[in-house]
Amino acid sequence: GESVGLHLPTLSVQEGDNSIINCAYSNSASDYFIWYKQESGKGPQFIIDIRSNMDKRQGQRVTVLLNKTVKHLSLQIAATQPGDSAVYFCAENIGGATNKLIFGTGTLLAVQP
Amino acid sequence: NAGVMQNPRHLVRRRGQEARLRCSPMKGHSHVYWYRQLPEEGLKFMVYLQKENIIDESGMPKERFSAEFPKEGPSILRIQQVVRGDSAAYFCASSPSTGDNEQFFGPGTRLTVL
Repeated sequence: GESVGLHLPTLSVQEGDNSIINCAYSNSASDYFIWYKQESGKGPQFIIDIRSNMDKRQGQRVTVLLNKTVKHLSLQIAATQPGDSAVYFCAENIGGATNKLIFGTGTLLAVQP
Repeated sequence: NAGVMQNPRHLVRRRGQEARLRCSPMKGHSHVYWYRQLPEEGLKFMVYLQKENIIDESGMPKERFSAEFPKEGPSILRIQQVVRGDSAAYFCASSPSTGDNEQFFGPGTRLTVL
């Protein structure tokens, strides 16, 4: 069936360290992946995306890595800051006639000062 | 350019009442998606609409739930005869077209059924 799951439900890091959040997906037909950040009481906020024809994409302080062989996605946050504390979701778009996103359950990132 | 707007932000209903959730997409966006989020869970797709058309409603419960996106006005998610299990956060997202386009999310409506 369709599912996107995360290895670590909670990740605690020290301010200034790098963070890595992992995600496994099960639908090999998915061709577009997105990482969202959700702060308490707010809607998901787009962080970065990657298409299936890429292995890596970098943004400002964030990098997404895609390993299609093992169907694994990761989000790396450099020099983690207190403002990065939130729940992070990976989502996959299976394409086709629908544009729906399938979300994982989320990883809570807690940044310790 | 205003983002996706949802109202109300918080909605309290008693069992058996109706809940109406509204979503105004970003300017220029003609595609709307509704997702439901239970506490400490990820978002679950409900329905995908374009103007005046339902494209994919595979995530919608068969009964009591309906959605529309009229030619004029916001998209409406309607829940009839609410039950306590309907309590959740309901998020709307919009995109300019299909394909690999980012979906922009609204702030959500938090529905509480007493």
